[in-house]
Amino acid sequence: EAGVVQSPRYKIIEKKQPVAFWCNPISGHNTLYWYRQNLGQGPELLIRYENEEAVDDSQLPKDRFSAERLKGVDSTLKIQPAELGDSAVYLCASSLNLRNEQFFGPGTRLTVL
Amino acid sequence: GNSVTQMEGPVTLSEEAFLTINCTYTATGYPSLFWYVQYPGEGLQLLLKATKADDKGSNKGFEATYRKETTSFHLEKGSVQVSDSAVYFCALSDLDTGRRALTFGSGTRLQVQP
Repeated sequence: EAGVVQSPRYKIIEKKQPVAFWCNPISGHNTLYWYRQNLGQGPELLIRYENEEAVDDSQLPKDRFSAERLKGVDSTLKIQPAELGDSAVYLCASSLNLRNEQFFGPGTRLTVL
Repeated sequence: GNSVTQMEGPVTLSEEAFLTINCTYTATGYPSLFWYVQYPGEGLQLLLKATKADDKGSNKGFEATYRKETTSFHLEKGSVQVSDSAVYFCALSDLDTGRRALTFGSGTRLQVQP
């Protein structure tokens, strides 16, 4: 069974540029999470989806971050415009539902110059 | 709110040494507790978990016991190997509160030398 797929694995951009990350969860997993992991820290939740509905986005900086999960499968996380402080690893995870184990993708490492 | 505190690293041990990584938590409800491991270049993987007080989670020789009285979930292994070198994250999930996602500690890097 394929795991959570994320792309790109690495992205380097200049500040004020837009950037997008893509996540394909494990087939059949209804719950999808986006986390941000700053250097030397643990991951922190940005947004959680139940199917196509964003049910917890309280930590998402909505002035520059947006996310979507069309058809309740793949998800895209966007930053526009990026700031220096957005440099981090962006992790996607999925689970059958919120009571089940979360499976993590390898992450996208973003560097903003 | 919920929080997790774990010992700072790096922890450097020789092969076959005993490992303890301390983890304490603060939660408003009755959380489930987890240890995740992140090998170089890979995603987070669930190592073990415990869902209620006095439960012991175990996997691959690692163990951790859910201690409600001390709000702790320390990770232990009797004899580490070079292949155990990774970053270990303690985490909790509190389904009784509104935020039903994992709260992580800051991670502890383990380096095992041959």
